[in-house]
Amino acid sequence: DIQMTQSPSTLSASVGDRVTITCRASQNVRSWLAWYQQKPGKAPKLLIYKASTLQSGVPSRFSGSGSGTEFTLTISSLQPDDFATYYCQHFNSYPWTFGQGTKVEI
Amino acid sequence: EVLLVQSGAEVRESGESLKISCKASGYDFTTYWIGWVRQVPGKGLEWMGIVYPGDSDTRYNPSFQGQVTISADKSITTAYLQWNSLRASDTAIYFCARNGPILADPLDVWGQGTMVIVSS
Repeated sequence: DIQMTQSPSTLSASVGDRVTITCRASQNVRSWLAWYQQKPGKAPKLLIYKASTLQSGVPSRFSGSGSGTEFTLTISSLQPDDFATYYCQHFNSYPWTFGQGTKVEI
Repeated sequence: EVLLVQSGAEVRESGESLKISCKASGYDFTTYWIGWVRQVPGKGLEWMGIVYPGDSDTRYNPSFQGQVTISADKSITTAYLQWNSLRASDTAIYFCARNGPILADPLDVWGQGTMVIVSS
């Protein structure tokens, strides 16, 4: 199985900060990577797919980059609604594993 | 509007069987893969497997293969996750989610989740 490792596990930030989350794959996953946001008690929400394509309706302050084994999710200016847990997931080969999550908190 | 609506919370005892459902609407159910994701409360997401309702082709995470059965009934646009013998370790929230028509598409629409509690 391909292991996905996110860093940091927890991130403390303030409104207006630029935030970067990293996701590393144990093998090459090309650009088959997505990012999700999950708030407590809710289902995850797709933010980014194919490493850098913004899902329809997602604010442009979210962006993704990378390919191969290293990927980043950037929030250019953190908003109050962005405090949540973020997960990466690869789609290169079965099983499609998730990272362990990064909690963005105040 | 594309929607996935899951069945309600379940409480079972260890050893019992269970089948939870995910009703899809607003799109062609037979041409999109649909999958299941487990989340133990307070923990991360685990991909369990997917089914293609058009022909019932399924793919499983080896960690869940043999422990659950994923299926779909295209006549009622509903996907299922089934256990023959529950264990306490199956206690979790289970989400269904739509993949795209292409296998490598992401999970773009999610159900609200079904809480399953298994007492030992």
